[in-house]
Amino acid sequence: GAVVSQHPSRVICKSGTSVKIECRSLDFQATTMFWYRQFPKQSLMLMATSNEGSKATYEQGVEKDKFLINHASLTLSTLTVTSAHPEDSSFYICSARHAPGQETNTGELFFGEGSRLTVL
Amino acid sequence: GENVEQHPSTLSVQEGDSAVIKCTYSDSASNYFPWYKQELGKRPQLIIDIRSNVGEKKDQRIAVTLNKTAKHFSLHITETQPEDSAVYFCAATKLSGTYKYIFGTGTRLKVLA
Repeated sequence: GAVVSQHPSRVICKSGTSVKIECRSLDFQATTMFWYRQFPKQSLMLMATSNEGSKATYEQGVEKDKFLINHASLTLSTLTVTSAHPEDSSFYICSARHAPGQETNTGELFFGEGSRLTVL
Repeated sequence: GENVEQHPSTLSVQEGDSAVIKCTYSDSASNYFPWYKQELGKRPQLIIDIRSNVGEKKDQRIAVTLNKTAKHFSLHITETQPEDSAVYFCAATKLSGTYKYIFGTGTRLKVLA
């Protein structure tokens, strides 16, 4: 298996402030990480694909200037919710997989614990 | 792009009965189909997966079947237990390049004791 750690698990902020969420692969290198948003009792909605050393690929309808993604190393991707508003309140969860071509790459996605953001 | 539909959205079964969750996908190039279980307040975890070169895979009480022609795949849980209660997500993807996982809408399974 593999371990993905996400921090913070919960964050409460005031409207207009920015919040950074970190996603780390603890025991493997992840060239690609995925950020999902999950509403209560709903599915995992892919927001963006984070690529190490290059720009993230955003899904249609996701504002890249609102949700800044940085993947500066093979073990860390960050999601920054800029100028957060109450409608940004949600559960954000990251995931990572082993790099394609590696023997350890079974295709499995490993998820972080998730971060619950509440914007007042 | 890929679209994955999942049914039913909720499912209640008596303990010991079987549960079946079905998914359909749109991208015929998809070749990997995992199923994830998410318990309340926890992260999704892989429970079983299947690749497009096989039609069925079984692991104890859970099994997955794949019909590539119809672009359908299903999760089967037999002899359900209360601890099987959770939300189950199917996904479809391609195991090549920078592939992304598109998840179904989820099925909330309740196993009644």
